[in-house]
Amino acid sequence: AQKITQTQPGMFVQEKEAVTLDCTYDTSDPSYGLFWYKQPSSGEMIFLIYQGSYDQQNATEGRYSLNFQKARKSANLVISASQLGDSAMYFCAMREPWGRDTGRRALTFGSGTRLQVQP
Amino acid sequence: GAGVSQSPRYKVAKRGQDVALRCDPISGHVSLFWYQQALGQGPEFLTYFQNEAQLDKSGLPSDRFFAERPEGSVSTLKIQRTQQEDSAVYLCASSPESGTGGISNQPQHFGDGTRLSIL
Repeated sequence: AQKITQTQPGMFVQEKEAVTLDCTYDTSDPSYGLFWYKQPSSGEMIFLIYQGSYDQQNATEGRYSLNFQKARKSANLVISASQLGDSAMYFCAMREPWGRDTGRRALTFGSGTRLQVQP
Repeated sequence: GAGVSQSPRYKVAKRGQDVALRCDPISGHVSLFWYQQALGQGPEFLTYFQNEAQLDKSGLPSDRFFAERPEGSVSTLKIQRTQQEDSAVYLCASSPESGTGGISNQPQHFGDGTRLSIL
């Protein structure tokens, strides 16, 4: 079953406008972490923002903010004042708790949203 | 540089050949991950190291895939008898976390990846 769902394969936004990229997740554990990464055409995955399941406030990082709705299991990324350099693939990812026995700390990624900023 | 370094950047091999992909993590990072990213998809977990110990290899698709990190720093992902379905971008990531459980807010830092093409 898909743990991370990004329903928008592609999005367009005008320069200087705000855009919201959707992410829904599926987990039965009350403790988890959510990450957003940006992947430009060069290929590198760039960390943008983190939200913990117990965090009381929505995460913000410069022009990036997370619209975290725990009951709906959604963690949408909001980019304000879009810039041409924001054009890239954006991935939502989740880390679930791991125990002493498993040691696994991997991220589970969604399929991504390609954002294109138009001048 | 200070980031995760991967080599080669591009690798072309004929079906049946063996390949070796190298990852040089950020100095001092305990955790190291390998992911496979198919075209148009999000990265998928392959294997995880904590120092030199391979704690999770559940994502390796077959016994043709082998990874090692003998001295707890540089890691090599080896693919034997390559097949066309092995064509993908292979991403390496590292993080400084070394705890014993729970959720960490430490992001994983990714390299630029190795684009592997099997002819």
